[in-house]
Amino acid sequence: GENVEQHPSTLSVQEGDSAVIKCTYSDSASNYFPWYKQELGKGPQLIIDIRSNVGEKKDQRIAVTLNKTAKHFSLHITETQPEDSAVYFCAATPGYNFNKFYFGSGTKLNVKP
Amino acid sequence: IAGITQAPTSQILAAGRRMTLRCTQDMRHNAMYWYRQDLGLGLRLIHYSNTAGTTGKGEVPDGYSVSRANTDDFPLTLASAVPSQTSVYFCASSVGRGGSYEQYFGPGTRLTVT
Repeated sequence: GENVEQHPSTLSVQEGDSAVIKCTYSDSASNYFPWYKQELGKGPQLIIDIRSNVGEKKDQRIAVTLNKTAKHFSLHITETQPEDSAVYFCAATPGYNFNKFYFGSGTKLNVKP
Repeated sequence: IAGITQAPTSQILAAGRRMTLRCTQDMRHNAMYWYRQDLGLGLRLIHYSNTAGTTGKGEVPDGYSVSRANTDDFPLTLASAVPSQTSVYFCASSVGRGGSYEQYFGPGTRLTVT
């Protein structure tokens, strides 16, 4: 099955700085890559996603880039704010079974005021 | 709209006991999922259901069973709990068609098996 690796496991940035979280995947058939944010004591919530036919997608301060050749994708958060502090998960799913999501191990982002 | 509800919020369970974690959604989503979340391992899929009446195995199905008698409910059963099943369990749902794959997660059930 798919193997998704996520780095770093923890990330600490100063408010206003940018944060980058990287994920790699193993299954070349994967073609949908969502990012989820999990706040303390809550379930994960989708913040952005990208399909394999697109190389980059932006939504205000958040962007995701995808390199299918290298099998890696990244989450970029600009102008970080304290409310961005949370655990972020990447995931990948193969196009032949969109029910099977494989998640990375998570990145705990701490934005210092 | 409640979204997804899970019960109980937390539970301490003796090894060997049977336990059913409940999950209900009011969004009329076709697909539902059960994940377990362990520190350093992220979310791992236990079982899923594409639609009422069908279920499938995920990444870590052993020791768990599910049923999907109707669209709204997707209970997860541990027939005979073991300490390695100590985890936080999340139920999720998605539309599952029309190109929309966003998963909506419940608040989780924290289970401790002693």
